[in-house]
Amino acid sequence: AQSVTQLDSQVPVFEEAPVELRCNYSSSVSVYLFWYVQYPNQGLQLLLKYLSGSTLVKGINGFEAEFNKSQTSFHLRKPSVHISDTAEYFCAVRSNKFYFGSGTKLNVKP
Amino acid sequence: DAGVIQSPRHEVTEMGQEVTLRCKPISGHDYLFWYRQTMMRGLELLIYFNNNVPIDDSGMPEDRFSAKMPNASFSTLKIQPSEPRDSAVYFCASSAPNQPQHFGDGTRLSIL
Repeated sequence: AQSVTQLDSQVPVFEEAPVELRCNYSSSVSVYLFWYVQYPNQGLQLLLKYLSGSTLVKGINGFEAEFNKSQTSFHLRKPSVHISDTAEYFCAVRSNKFYFGSGTKLNVKP
Repeated sequence: DAGVIQSPRHEVTEMGQEVTLRCKPISGHDYLFWYRQTMMRGLELLIYFNNNVPIDDSGMPEDRFSAKMPNASFSTLKIQPSEPRDSAVYFCASSAPNQPQHFGDGTRLSIL
């Protein structure tokens, strides 16, 4: 069975600190990988995607993620977070269908 | 470009009533997904369509839920009869093959 695991349900961090949100997946076939962000009372917005090519993917709002095939991971990083980054972040995998992780709530404190 | 359009944005109704949620996907997208999001269960895939045909409805909670896609530009999700435990935010998303999903703003449903 294929699955997406986001190990951290909540990540508190101070403003301007770096952050990493972890995502691991299990799949026996080639996958496409995505990160979405959901701000309060809004839908999910695409942050970045990995389809092929360079394993380091840059997205909007200064976020980036690295695809690591050997570790089946796709962790999301930002070197310096802002208060406005407070939101819930979802990792997603597409193989034969879409699979979403359970989400990580990033809480950026002043 | 218009994104995925969902209506209504909010709905409050009494239990036992029929509820119809509507979705207009992005033009040219041949995949359409319906999700439900709650605090307790997170984001759940209910059903998805490819070229207007339901492909996987294993996430539909029970027979009270039904979804249709009569054409490439419109889909509905119906709950009949509705129950308080159906209260959630329902999202519609669409995508092209092997591309990311684009989500609508959701319908916030409250069943009293």
